[in-house]
Amino acid sequence: AQSVSQHNHHVILSEAASLELGCNYSYGGTVNLFWYVQYPGQHLQLLLKYFSGDPLVKGIKGFEAEFIKSKFSFNLRKPSVQWSDTAEYFCAVNALKAAGNKLTFGGGTRVLVKP
Amino acid sequence: DTAVSQTPKYLVTQMGNDKSIKCEQNLGHDTMYWYKQDSKKFLKIMFSYNNKELIINETVPNRFSPKSPDKAHLNLHINSLELGDSAVYFCASSPKTGTGLYNEQFFGPGTRLTVL
Repeated sequence: AQSVSQHNHHVILSEAASLELGCNYSYGGTVNLFWYVQYPGQHLQLLLKYFSGDPLVKGIKGFEAEFIKSKFSFNLRKPSVQWSDTAEYFCAVNALKAAGNKLTFGGGTRVLVKP
Repeated sequence: DTAVSQTPKYLVTQMGNDKSIKCEQNLGHDTMYWYKQDSKKFLKIMFSYNNKELIINETVPNRFSPKSPDKAHLNLHINSLELGDSAVYFCASSPKTGTGLYNEQFFGPGTRLTVL
């Protein structure tokens, strides 16, 4: 069964600092990879996704992520965070199987950006 | 226009009651899902329906019964509610491409269920 782990449960940083959130998955086959963000009290929104092609993907709000297949990783980055980036960030993996479209989520990383 | 909507947004009820949560999507997607997010924010899939057909059924107590009257709706009925059912329940939908591969999932606003 596939699993996803996010290394940091909580991250606290100041505005303008750089952010990197780690995500590793365990599945040997072809995967689709996602990062979702959940702002306080809101639903999940897609930040970016990787299906194929260039392993460096750019998403909304200045976020990007790099897929490193050999490391089974899909780390999220933002060069300079803002207070409004305070949120919970979820990495998710969809293993391309015959049945269903089952997204397996990591445990989430709570990011607090101090003004 | 809301793409994936859920009702109610909040649901507070007593143990032992039966309740339903409704979900509707106006995106024309073929596939819909229910996820449970616990108090530690951990998200786990419960069910998935494709064109009204159940395709994913994780290890969920049979007190939970999804119903899909059409491909735009996926409701979740919960019988004999327990304290441990307290969580936020998210509905989601995704399109299915012609090759059979699925695409990203779009989430609803969530329903916060509190069982007293």
